[in-house]
Amino acid sequence: DTEVTQTPKHLVMGMTNKKSLKCEQHMGHRAMYWYKQKAKKPPELMFVYSYEKLSINESVPSRFSPECPNSSLLNLHLHALQPEDSALYLCASSHDRGQGAFFGQGTRLTVV
Amino acid sequence: DAKTTQPTSMDCAEGRAANLPCNHSTISGNEYVYWYRQIHSQGPQYIIHGLKNNETNEMASLIITEDRKSSTLILPHATLRDTAVYYCIVRVLEYGNKLVFGAGTILRVKS
Repeated sequence: DTEVTQTPKHLVMGMTNKKSLKCEQHMGHRAMYWYKQKAKKPPELMFVYSYEKLSINESVPSRFSPECPNSSLLNLHLHALQPEDSALYLCASSHDRGQGAFFGQGTRLTVV
Repeated sequence: DAKTTQPTSMDCAEGRAANLPCNHSTISGNEYVYWYRQIHSQGPQYIIHGLKNNETNEMASLIITEDRKSSTLILPHATLRDTAVYYCIVRVLEYGNKLVFGAGTILRVKS
């Protein structure tokens, strides 16, 4: 299994809603990443987890809250988002001992 | 992590080799060169990486200059399905380290 699975594929939420994005991998990777991608822009790193611990937070607003409950799962909890947070949210995982990272297909988020 | 410079866009005829350059003049001795691509509306896909030797896999070849200040990704027989944004990234091979994307090169393969 060489897949990173993200759910849901699409999400529409209001500015007062609370929602969560989910990412799962079963490749034994111990580094996991969240990215945000706006149209026609490169992916922008948000968070990095290493061995289930947050190792990098790229000054992301607190309305985005990551969680890594175990080595296979990564969540991104969303609360009080703004319309400008609408984007494609990508999850990735890597072994980081010589291999590249595997990316999911993303969650297309629309904040209304 | 060192910065990279890539051309904004390139065209390539179908069946011909696509050569995508990347400059990384400030690369450190322990930084690897990685290439990814992103086909429209999909997640990025890892292609290849290397430290100083040339590398080849089933998707592509990576040529790194002797001084390591630049590299070239070669797709030997480009197809229409290779149309994508190609990203060159340099990073230290360290667990939990950043993987930062630059602007990339839009490669258009034309029939």
